[in-house]
Formats: sequence, structure tokens, C-alpha cells
Amino acid sequence: GENVEQHPSTLSVQEGDSAVIKCTYSDSASNYFPWYKQELGKGPQLIIDIRSNVGEKKDQRIAVTLNKTAKHFSLHITETQPEDSAVYFCAASEDYGQNFVFGPGTRLSVLP
Amino acid sequence: DTAVSQTPKYLVTQMGNDKSIKCEQNLGHDTMYWYKQDSKKFLKIMFSYNNKELIINETVPNRFSPKSPDKAHLNLHINSLELGDSAVYFCASSPGQGISGANVLTFGAGSRLTVL
Repeated sequence: GENVEQHPSTLSVQEGDSAVIKCTYSDSASNYFPWYKQELGKGPQLIIDIRSNVGEKKDQRIAVTLNKTAKHFSLHITETQPEDSAVYFCAASEDYGQNFVFGPGTRLSVLP
Repeated sequence: DTAVSQTPKYLVTQMGNDKSIKCEQNLGHDTMYWYKQDSKKFLKIMFSYNNKELIINETVPNRFSPKSPDKAHLNLHINSLELGDSAVYFCASSPGQGISGANVLTFGAGSRLTVL
């Protein structure tokens, strides 16, 4: 089955700096890679996703890159703000599929 | 108007008791899920239902029994609670099987279960 690893487990950055979180996956059949943000006391919320026919996707300050050959994908947050502080989860699944495998999460702290 | 709502938000109970967590979604989605998040924040799927039918049943003790009376509801009943069941349980929904974008999950706010 699919296995998703995520690094780092914790990340502290100064406000305004960039943050990068990396994930690797094992199943070459996976072709859909979402990123979820979980704020304290809330459920995870989708912030960006990418399908395997695309190498990069951007939405304002966040971007995701995918390297299918190496089976890894990364989340990039630029100009970080204190409200970006949260736990971020990557996940992998087959498109149209229903079984998501989540990474173990990265706790991001943006220091003012 | 909450999209995926689950109750109760907090549940404290003794070992051996039986408890239920309810979930409702008003998004018109066909698929609903239960996830367990342990103290280390790992998110693991437990069950998935599509149009009231069980699709995914991960390795979960049979003390956990999901029930879907209709496609907008997926309840989780737990018998003979154990200390290791303490966790946050998240309900989620997605549009449906075989549809592009089917796998965008909308999560509820979670139900924190503490077993003493």
C-alpha cells in the first residue's frame, strides 16, 4: 500500500520568510496530491492540490511542486504570516479514488 | 451553516462504556468517512461509505461500528471503550466515486474522545 513521509515534523520561520515542506510517496499509481492545513481545534482544510499531469501549481502565496520521477512533492509558502501557523498535512491518492494516505504532518510556527 | 457537523465535540467516558459520535453533511456529497487522529497528529482512515454502502474498512477493531442511515449521515458507535481509543475522531465527506474532484475532503471540526 501507499506510504507517505513528510519532513520536517516541525518548522519555525520568521514572519516574512518562506517555508518549504516536503513529502515523498511510494505508490506510483498515486496521481492526486492535496495539502491540508489544520488550525488549532479545527478539522483539516484543503489549501491546494495537484494532479500528476502538472508539475507546479500556484495560488497567491502558496505553491506546490511535483516530481513524479522521484515521487516527491513540496509545499512552498512565501511571505509567511502569523496566521499561517498550523499543522500541514500532505496526502496521496489515486484520482477518483477514495483512500487517502496522509503524511504525519508538519507543525509550522511563524514567529512575529 | 456548517458543511460537516459532528457531535459531540468533547466526550469523556470510562473504560468499558459504549458511546456514539454523530456526523451530518449538508453538501450533497455521496461519500463520507471517519478518520482517527492520535496524540501525535497522525490521521488514519477508519471507514468510508458511498451512498450508504461501506467502501473502505481499514484494520479497525470490530468494537467500532459505523452506521449510515442515509447518505447525509454517518455515525460511529464504539463498544467497550479502551484507553487506546482516546483520540480526536474526524468525520469528512467528498463529492463521490468516479467523479473528477471526487477526492476533495471536507472535514468536520472533530470529536475529542477521552477514555479514563
